[in-house]
Amino acid sequence: EIVLTQSPGTLSLSPGERATLSCRASQIVSDNYVAWYKQQKPGQAPRLLIYGASHRDTGIPDRFSGSGSGTDFTLTISRLEPEDFAVYYCQHYGTSPLTFGGGTKVEIK
Amino acid sequence: QVELQQWGAGLLKPAETLSLTCGVYGASFSGYYWSWVRQTPGKGLEWIGEINDGGNTNYNPSLKSRVTISIDTSKNQFSLNLRSVTAADTGLYYCARGGSSWLGWFDPWGQGSLVSVST
Repeated sequence: EIVLTQSPGTLSLSPGERATLSCRASQIVSDNYVAWYKQQKPGQAPRLLIYGASHRDTGIPDRFSGSGSGTDFTLTISRLEPEDFAVYYCQHYGTSPLTFGGGTKVEIK
Repeated sequence: QVELQQWGAGLLKPAETLSLTCGVYGASFSGYYWSWVRQTPGKGLEWIGEINDGGNTNYNPSLKSRVTISIDTSKNQFSLNLRSVTAADTGLYYCARGGSSWLGWFDPWGQGSLVSVST
């Protein structure tokens, strides 16, 4: 099973600042099969942002970008908007079991 | 635009069976895998398993002994049964569309169903 470790646990930033979120895998993720999700509020369903490590889903603003390969992946939000303060999760796919990271909360400083 | 709506019992006693159903609207049911994912205080987001329109399933090994996912293509619905629940199964359960091949990402998700297991 691939264990995904996200860091930091919480990121305190101001609107307009850049956010850099990390997702580290316990073993190599083949073909960069990593997705990123945003959960706006507890109890709300996550929303897909990125798949294939760097491909934005339809309708996702270009201030969101994904990068990385192997075991290290990054989600970057270039300039934080008020609606970007949320919890973000990474997920690997392609091998069973599918697993998620523990999440990074981006909060207003 | 595909929309997933889910329903099912939310309050269970230990040892009972959790049953949830997810309806798929606005898009073809075929050609995709359809998953269940849960979010619990103890384990965070956890994939439960998936099924395709041919009835092929993949389950998380950690839950496989207690899980059955089934499909009703005539109604564009798929269902989750989780047997012998305990308090550790308390959480939010989501249905989601997976990829066109097995073990993919999830998009979109259902609205979520809160399940509580308590005596």
